[in-house]
Amino acid sequence: AQRVTQPEKLLSVFKGAPVELKCNYSYSGSPELFWYVQYSRQRLQLLLRHISRESIKGFTADLNKGETSFHLKKPFAQEEDSAMYYCALSGDNFNKFYFGSGTKLNVKP
Amino acid sequence: NAGVTQTPKFRVLKTGQSMTLLCAQDMNHEYMYWYRQDPGMGLRLIHYSVGEGTTAKGEVPDGYNVSRLKKQNFLLGLESAAPSQTSVYFCASSRRTGQPPYEQYFGPGTRLTVT
Repeated sequence: AQRVTQPEKLLSVFKGAPVELKCNYSYSGSPELFWYVQYSRQRLQLLLRHISRESIKGFTADLNKGETSFHLKKPFAQEEDSAMYYCALSGDNFNKFYFGSGTKLNVKP
Repeated sequence: NAGVTQTPKFRVLKTGQSMTLLCAQDMNHEYMYWYRQDPGMGLRLIHYSVGEGTTAKGEVPDGYNVSRLKKQNFLLGLESAAPSQTSVYFCASSRRTGQPPYEQYFGPGTRLTVT
């Protein structure tokens, strides 16, 4: 069955420190992975998708099929990065998405 | 563009009452989705639609019904509300053109409490 696991509910780092938000998935086919972000009092929005191999707001994520992971990384965290982050998976049927339980990132000054 | 809007923003129901949540999008998107978000569980897909007049079940469809009579609207109905349906409900939409996978655009959410 499809499953997305985000093991950390809360991650606190100091400004300027590196940050890594973990995401592991379970899927038998070829998955498409995403990171969505929800800033305070804003809507959930797409941060990045693995197929684009892009860097958004300094964040990157690499799909590791061997470890079934899609961890989100940023070398130097900023206070404005504080938000709720969700990892999501879409399978061969692009109609359905599966979300992880989310990680709250708190960047301290 | 308003994007994805949801009505109402908040609602309190008593057990057994019924209600309909309305989702509207003005982006001419083909796909629409209803999710529920519960503490510690992330977003779970209730129902989705790939086009006007079509609906399909997601992960947690029991106790809900949906309709997509118009392309821009996706309605979520609770026929007999139960306390277990207390949650925050999110609607989303996405296009079906170009290279998949398709980004989802989310509404602001509806906070529903069933007492």
